[in-house]
Amino acid sequence: DIQMTQSPSSLSASVGDRVTITCRATQGIANYLAWFQQKPGKVPKLLIYAASTLQSGVPSRFSGSGSGTDFTLTISSLQPEDVATYYCQKYNGAPLTFGGGTKVEIK
Amino acid sequence: EVQLVESGGGLVKPGGSLRISCEGSGFPFRTYTMNWVRQAPGKGLEWVSSISSSGTYIYYADSVKGRFTISRDDAKNSLYLQMNSLRAEDTALYYCVGRYYDTSGPSPNLDYWGQGTLVTVSS
Repeated sequence: DIQMTQSPSSLSASVGDRVTITCRATQGIANYLAWFQQKPGKVPKLLIYAASTLQSGVPSRFSGSGSGTDFTLTISSLQPEDVATYYCQKYNGAPLTFGGGTKVEIK
Repeated sequence: EVQLVESGGGLVKPGGSLRISCEGSGFPFRTYTMNWVRQAPGKGLEWVSSISSSGTYIYYADSVKGRFTISRDDAKNSLYLQMNSLRAEDTALYYCVGRYYDTSGPSPNLDYWGQGTLVTVSS
């Protein structure tokens, strides 16, 4: 099965900083990659699908890139409301594996 | 308004069984592939199982294969997960997730998530 590895597992950055999270698949998954944001005590929320397509209503400071095995989620200017854990998920077929998550905090 | 409402969670002893349910409304339930995703306390998301819109295709995570059974009743807009031989490591919040697949493939942009039902396995 394809494994999804996220890095870093946690980060602390200042408001306004550019933040980058990576997700690596052990085999190619084309662009079948989604990014979710989960705030404490809340249901995960879809941010990006098809590796780089912004879900409706998601702020444009979020962007995604990549294809094949290497993917990136970027927050161009970190805001206090972006404190959350971020997960990637492959969806090119079962198992629909999630990455281990990246916890983003404000410095 | 779209809703997915899970129910049936609770406390069960190791080795025991439990069936959790999810009822959908406000969207064409029968056309959606339905999934269970779980999250252990303080841990990440883990996909558990999927059942296609027709019920023809069923998949399980290795961690639950042979112990869990997913099923659906489209007449009741309901999804089920029968969990047997439960272990402490099955303790988690179980989310019901609907995902639409069109002719070009899956559409996560049309995902629906429930609020989850908590399953605790402990003696």
